[in-house]
Amino acid sequence: LAKTTQPISMDSYEGQEVNITCSHNNIATNDYITWYQQFPSQGPRFIIQGYKTKVTNEVASLFIPADRKSSTLSLPRVSLSDTAVYYCLVGDMSNTGKLIFGQGTTLQVKP
Amino acid sequence: DTAVSQTPKYLVTQMGNDKSIKCEQNLGHDTMYWYKQDSKKFLKIMFSYNNKELIINETVPNRFSPKSPDKAHLNLHINSLELGDSAVYFCASSHRGTDTGELFFGEGSRLTVL
Repeated sequence: LAKTTQPISMDSYEGQEVNITCSHNNIATNDYITWYQQFPSQGPRFIIQGYKTKVTNEVASLFIPADRKSSTLSLPRVSLSDTAVYYCLVGDMSNTGKLIFGQGTTLQVKP
Repeated sequence: DTAVSQTPKYLVTQMGNDKSIKCEQNLGHDTMYWYKQDSKKFLKIMFSYNNKELIINETVPNRFSPKSPDKAHLNLHINSLELGDSAVYFCASSHRGTDTGELFFGEGSRLTVL
């Protein structure tokens, strides 16, 4: 299973764009990159998933370079309610239970 | 309706006691999981059941015993509770074969062992 490395914490201000980068040097051919968001006192929630290039949805964008050894979650114009822990996961979608969540990145959005 | 619901949300008990946490999902998923989240936010899988069959059993003490009476329920029973069992336990579910393998989590059950 590919191990991921991401910053433990980040600070931002309301209205700014936030980019959280995750390293996954040992990503396998069948692996997808998935990001989850966890608010305090709640379970993690799926945000976005991608395999290569760029994926965008109503919540975030995910940028994946050609070598796929890293990925960047981009949150446009964050608000206070985006304060949460963000987890980067890498793995084969046919074996979801084996995904490793790691420690995540705690994003603190300030007014 | 809550998609994945766990009870109780909070549980405070003494060392040596036995306790259970219940989980139910109404999403029609065929796979359910138990995760443990420690104080450092690491989320580690403990068990996974697919169609009531145990498919993942990570290195977890025998004091932890999952039970799945049907596809919609996965309960966790813990015997002889220890201080180190204090954590937040999350139940999750998914449907095998979906495009994203998305996990749906409950709100967690915070267990405090005194």
